[in-house]
Amino acid sequence: DSGVTQTPKHLITATGQRVTLRCSPRSGDLSVYWYQQSLDQGLQFLIQYYNGEERAKGNILERFSAQQFPDLHSELNLSSLELGDSALYFCASSVGSGGYEQYFGPGTRLTVT
Amino acid sequence: AQTVTQSQPEMSVQEAETVTLSCTYDTSESDYYLFWYKQPPSRQMILVIRQEAYKQQNATENRFSVNFQKAAKSFSLKISDSQLGDAAMYFCAYRSRGTSYDKVIFGPGTSLSVIP
Repeated sequence: DSGVTQTPKHLITATGQRVTLRCSPRSGDLSVYWYQQSLDQGLQFLIQYYNGEERAKGNILERFSAQQFPDLHSELNLSSLELGDSALYFCASSVGSGGYEQYFGPGTRLTVT
Repeated sequence: AQTVTQSQPEMSVQEAETVTLSCTYDTSESDYYLFWYKQPPSRQMILVIRQEAYKQQNATENRFSVNFQKAAKSFSLKISDSQLGDAAMYFCAYRSRGTSYDKVIFGPGTSLSVIP
């Protein structure tokens, strides 16, 4: 158990819908990262937040957005969902923006039908 | 931009034997971190080992060790005394050191099977 929690574990929704994925980092960790793992594109970095502020953006679509709240939990919002958005979405956390390891949550499996 | 390559999509090893997984990367930076992550069927991403580029000594964690060749930009993972629980997808990853963000670049992964 990494100490990072993600909810829900599984999510099934239809195309065009909007969903919110939630992540709670390890106690004391200020940075949160979101990754997408799909079969055809491997593990892709989406976005990073540090203490409530966006720090870096990776391959995140405009239909996706994220935020980190004062209690440091983070939410990833996915809208106008397409079949290709079906993937495993990981959240990871680390102590700081200059920290070493990123500890991964168990992931949320999103299926878009 | 940095890239990470794992040229072995699949590997297999007999239980109790040793196996080496390959990873190469491309970067113009001199200081960075390298990682090996394990992803078992449960899909949980587990950090196996990390290496700091400025350290010449190869990192070791119990049965896991790396062969870090900075000039060759190679970072292989050796698993000794392989166990059934080692069966998983293994990802090599790169992270810049000293930047303002912690983006991690992952390789495509190597699927390791352990034969009883």
